[in-house]
Amino acid sequence: EDQVTQSPEALRLQEGESSSLNCSYTVSGLRGLFWYRQDPGKGPEFLFTLYSAGEEKEKERLKATLTKKESFLHITAPKPEDSATYLCAVHPRDDKIIFGKGTRLHILP
Amino acid sequence: DSGVTQTPKHLITATGQRVTLRCSPRSGDLSVYWYQQSLDQGLQFLIQYYNGEERAKGNILERFSAQQFPDLHSELNLSSLELGDSALYFCASSVGQGMSYGYTFGSGTRLTVV
Repeated sequence: EDQVTQSPEALRLQEGESSSLNCSYTVSGLRGLFWYRQDPGKGPEFLFTLYSAGEEKEKERLKATLTKKESFLHITAPKPEDSATYLCAVHPRDDKIIFGKGTRLHILP
Repeated sequence: DSGVTQTPKHLITATGQRVTLRCSPRSGDLSVYWYQQSLDQGLQFLIQYYNGEERAKGNILERFSAQQFPDLHSELNLSSLELGDSALYFCASSVGQGMSYGYTFGSGTRLTVV
């Protein structure tokens, strides 16, 4: 069965304290892996698409990486405005997108 | 503003009732996806339409139905509502049938069943 597991469920960091969020997946034929950011009461906002193992994408303080079994979202020197829930999603061969339950990130000033 | 418009933003209704949620996709997008988000389940895929035709189905209950109209807007109909149907319902759109450039999500409809 295709599934996506994100860890940790929640993470509290001090401003400037770098860390990584994990997304482990089991899918039949990965067509793409996606990271989204979701603020409270709003819809998810697209961040990155990764297609193959070894690929990396960067945007400001965020960098996403992909291996054959997991993806990491690295956050470098985070600021309070980076506080949000980060969602990982995978696109298996049968075209039904599966989202993980997310990691709630809180950056303390 | 993401370009995907969902109405209403909030909806409170009683058990057993029927409601309709509406979604207008981003201009140029042909695919519309419906998701349900609850605290314990995360984002659950319900159904996808592409240019008016149903393309993929997730864990959508038989009490729920959807359609996409010629002008590409979509409606999600929820009937015989139960307390457990209380959730955020999101609509997303994309240009094609896949997810190459990511979905664009609306801001959601918060449904409360009392």
